[in-house]
Amino acid sequence: DARVTQTPRDKVTEMGQEVTMRCQPILGHNTVFWYRQTMMQGLELLAYFRNRAPLDDSGMPKDRFSAEMPDATLATLKIQPSEPRDSAVYFCASGWDRATEAFFGQGTRLTVV
Amino acid sequence: AQSVTQLGSHVSVSEGALVLLRCNYSSSVPPYLFWYVQYPNQGLQLLLKYTSAATLVKGINGFEAEFKKSETSFHLTKPSAHMSDAAEYFCAVILYNNNDMRFGAGTRLTVKP
Repeated sequence: DARVTQTPRDKVTEMGQEVTMRCQPILGHNTVFWYRQTMMQGLELLAYFRNRAPLDDSGMPKDRFSAEMPDATLATLKIQPSEPRDSAVYFCASGWDRATEAFFGQGTRLTVV
Repeated sequence: AQSVTQLGSHVSVSEGALVLLRCNYSSSVPPYLFWYVQYPNQGLQLLLKYTSAATLVKGINGFEAEFKKSETSFHLTKPSAHMSDAAEYFCAVILYNNNDMRFGAGTRLTVKP
């Protein structure tokens, strides 16, 4: 049963702490997306990768957010330092190519207090 | 510029009634279009997609959507609503000259007994 796996599912952290969210895309997928979902902004695209190379991270606050793909089986989204306004659900999704659907993970619910 | 617009943040129907969720895109070249559903505390699940084949696309759970180039629309319909259809629905687009998937603001569907 192929699925996108995100860890952790829930994270509560104090303001100023570093947060790392991990995503294991479906084996064989070459595209990975990171989205942030909030009530106010809806689903925002933060970054996406094709064949592990970052194609667009313009949606990501550069001063505190970073996204990487150390290898084809792992994508990471890091926030340092975290702020209360970063509280949201972060979704990772993967796909084969630009014209196919994206398969979503269950999300990481981040709460920064 | 907004790539995809969903008209109506909330739609309420009675069980057994027609479901119509509206989506319009802004592109001179027909894009790839998708409808996703999100149940509470879950990731997004693909309902159906349009990738320039048949203009009437059938998806899971009895949903279908029709691509209308003249109206730049891709509205989602279901003839008879079930209680289990209550969820948030997102229209998404991949533009012809782009690589990323952009989502509309979402429409929350409520089904009344």
